[in-house]
Amino acid sequence: DAKTTQPPSMDCAEGRAANLPCNHSTISGNEYVYWYRQIHSQGPQYIIHGLKNNETNEMASLIITEDRKSSTLILPHATLRDTAVYYCIVRPKGNNAGNMLTFGGGTRLMVKP
Amino acid sequence: NAGVTQTPKFQVLKTGQSMTLQCAQDMNHNSMYWYRQDPGMGLRLIYYSASEGTTDKGEVPNGYNVSRLNKREFSLRLESAAPSQTSVYFCASSEMWRDRGYEQYFGPGTRLTVT
Repeated sequence: DAKTTQPPSMDCAEGRAANLPCNHSTISGNEYVYWYRQIHSQGPQYIIHGLKNNETNEMASLIITEDRKSSTLILPHATLRDTAVYYCIVRPKGNNAGNMLTFGGGTRLMVKP
Repeated sequence: NAGVTQTPKFQVLKTGQSMTLQCAQDMNHNSMYWYRQDPGMGLRLIYYSASEGTTDKGEVPNGYNVSRLNKREFSLRLESAAPSQTSVYFCASSEMWRDRGYEQYFGPGTRLTVT
């Protein structure tokens, strides 16, 4: 699986957009980009995933560059409850039995009033 | 739907004691997982079960055993606990056979301290 690089921490003002970058320069053609977050002491929570097209759901938007070597998770109007560690994960699509998620250090997002 | 449930929430063991962590999901998922998370670190996969009747080692399986009791339940056993196993343990489940990729649903975690 491709490795990812994320900044260790970021701040964002409440109500503003939070843009969390992720570098995955060694990603291969069959690998998806997943984003999870972990609010303090809780289990990780799925946010969104994508292959090459930009994706949007009720939680966030995912922007993947054309060469797929990096992506950005966008929380359009961050709230205090969005304070969490955000993990960017790359793994192959398809039905392989493992479906393992490899969690790195993530980005600790602090949303401030 | 309760999603993924784990018991107990907290546990303190002495070195050498054994215990079983329980996990159950009510989403009819085929795949289940056990992860551990040490302080300030990301999650690491211990064991997984791709479907009922199968189990496989993950990244850090030493010192653990698992049982996929049925489709709903996946337990993690520590036969002889060591201080290095002090951690937060998360169980997760996912649907296996989706073409686009799929999300894992996580339980609330079990906080284990081995003294």
